Order: sequence, then C-alpha cells, then structure tokens
Amino acid sequence: GQQVMQIPQYQHVQEGEDFTTYCNSSTTLSNIQWYKQRPGGHPVFLIQLVKSGEVKKQKRLTFQFGEAKKNSSLHITATQTTDVGTYFCAGPYFGNEKLTFGTGTRLTIIP
Amino acid sequence: GAVVSQHPSWVICKSGTSVKIECRSLDFQATTMFWYRQFPKQSLMLMATSNEGSKATYEQGVEKDKFLINHASLTLSTLTVTSAHPEDSSFYICSASAPPGNTIYFGEGSWLTVV
Repeated sequence: GQQVMQIPQYQHVQEGEDFTTYCNSSTTLSNIQWYKQRPGGHPVFLIQLVKSGEVKKQKRLTFQFGEAKKNSSLHITATQTTDVGTYFCAGPYFGNEKLTFGTGTRLTIIP
Repeated sequence: GAVVSQHPSWVICKSGTSVKIECRSLDFQATTMFWYRQFPKQSLMLMATSNEGSKATYEQGVEKDKFLINHASLTLSTLTVTSAHPEDSSFYICSASAPPGNTIYFGEGSWLTVV
C-alpha cells in the first residue's frame, strides 16, 4: 500500500542547532503538507507545497518538495525550545483527497 | 481562522458501553470531515471519511459497525465507539477542510480510555 516514511524518527538537538526531517512517499503525491503536533496536542497545519521542486520559507522553517513529488524536507534553522513537537508530513495521492500521514519526527530540544 | 472543535476532550468508559465523540466546524460548513486514530507516539491513521448526508467511507480494516459515523449537518460529525473494549483506548481526532484554499484544520482530539 501507499506509505509515507519520515526520518529520523527522533531527533535531539541543542538549542540553537539546526534540524531537518525528511519525508519519502512510495508513490507520487499531488501535494505535500506539513503539520506540527505539540506533546498532548493536535496537529496544526504549517504549510502546503504543490509544485514540483517548490521551496517555501516561514521564518526559520524551510520546506522543500522534491522534483518527483515523492519526497519533501523540513529544515529548521537555529532551533528554539518552542520548536519541540512531532513534525508530520502528509499528502493526498492523485485522485484522492484523503491525507496519508508520514511516520513523524519527534524533535526535542536540549536547553 | 477556521476552528474545528471536538467534544469531549477526555472520556473514560466501561467495557461494553458506547461513547460518542462530536466534531464541529465552528465558523464554516464542512461537507467532508475525516476521523483519525492515533496511538501514543505513533502517526495518525485515517479511520473514515464522513460525508454530510450520506454514509461514511471506511478505511480498510476499520469496522463500520463498531465505529459509527454520522454526519447529519454541515457543521457536525459524530463518531460513536460501540461496545468499547480496552484496545479501543486511543486518541481520536477529526479534521475538516475550510475555505479558502481548503486548509485542513484538526479538532483538539478526544482521549478515550476504556476500563
């Protein structure tokens, strides 16, 4: 079946260090979405990328969508304690509006 | 921005009883809502697509008679866990897409504990 994998599963970084999570889909996605879920909370929409090779930035966060629309990455520059949480990528497959969520990357920050 | 609200946030029930969880879109109409289940430290697994005015579409492996979904209005979908068992204990969360741009908004989630 369709799978969306993320690596790493866990990442512990010192505050101020950079962080990257990678998302890989077994099949082509119509778009890629990124969500952040704080511990005990619900997923919150961060961004959506639609075009092949698209790059978007939100302050310290940089999102990329691969040329083949099967992979994506989220990079956080100079992490802060507020960045703690699990980051999920998610994407609908062509012809299907349902989101398939990635396995998630849990980020913890060492102050 | 658009808000999706879930109720209750926490519920504890006895084995064999049924529990209803509500998902409301507060300031927009949602013809489609989605119900997910999330176990601790795991990803979200789509259970079913709730369609206003018609039957829900269940994902493979999800028992439709156990997880009853009703989408009676454009702002409300309900998930009823029938004859609950301890293995049904989980975090249940709904989502809906809102205009413009069909951004996905998630409810706050509902923690179900079956004892």
